[in-house]
Amino acid sequence: GEDVEQSLFLSVREGDSSVINCTYTDSSSTYLYWYKQEPGAGLQLLTYIFSNMDMKQDQRLTVLLNKKDKHLSLRIADTQTGDSAIYFCAEGSGGFKTIFGAGTRLFVKA
Amino acid sequence: KAGVTQTPRYLIKTRGQQVTLSCSPISGHRSVSWYQQTPGQGLQFLFEYFSETQRNKGNFPGRFSGRQFSNSRSEMNVSTLELGDSALYLCASSLASNTEAFFGQGTRLTVV
Repeated sequence: GEDVEQSLFLSVREGDSSVINCTYTDSSSTYLYWYKQEPGAGLQLLTYIFSNMDMKQDQRLTVLLNKKDKHLSLRIADTQTGDSAIYFCAEGSGGFKTIFGAGTRLFVKA
Repeated sequence: KAGVTQTPRYLIKTRGQQVTLSCSPISGHRSVSWYQQTPGQGLQFLFEYFSETQRNKGNFPGRFSGRQFSNSRSEMNVSTLELGDSALYLCASSLASNTEAFFGQGTRLTVV
């Protein structure tokens, strides 16, 4: 079945770049998402990329998609302490039945 | 515009009781999906409603049910609560089934 995998933890220093990686299995997915969840909060859609794109940049965020390897990454430039959160990678064809990874907890050290 | 609103934010129930959670989607959005988030299982899809019809269902027992009203607001009901139902329940709304999803803050349910 569909599956999304991502590493559980990442620790970076403030000001460095963070790269969170994700692999997925469903090649028919239309959208690939990155969500951010802060403690006690719901999921905030950070960015998404259509499956026919290779890259998307949005301010400090860069998403890279390698469809051949089914690999998605999120790069956060100039990481700040406020970026500390859990980042979820997800694949799907829209709102319904979006498949989420387990989440990567990003620690940013001052 | 207002985001997805879930009520209540927190809920404590005892085993065997039932509970109803509410989700008001973004205005104009017709698709509402529900997810259960637990530390052990991560985010799991419960069901999706579109125009008052359940379109998709995840792998949850029949104790979990839902409905959607004509104004797109959705409710989720869990009957005969078990300790394992303790979780953060998230609702997501989309313009349609194949567009990006926006999530609410969630309802944290604790079953004691």
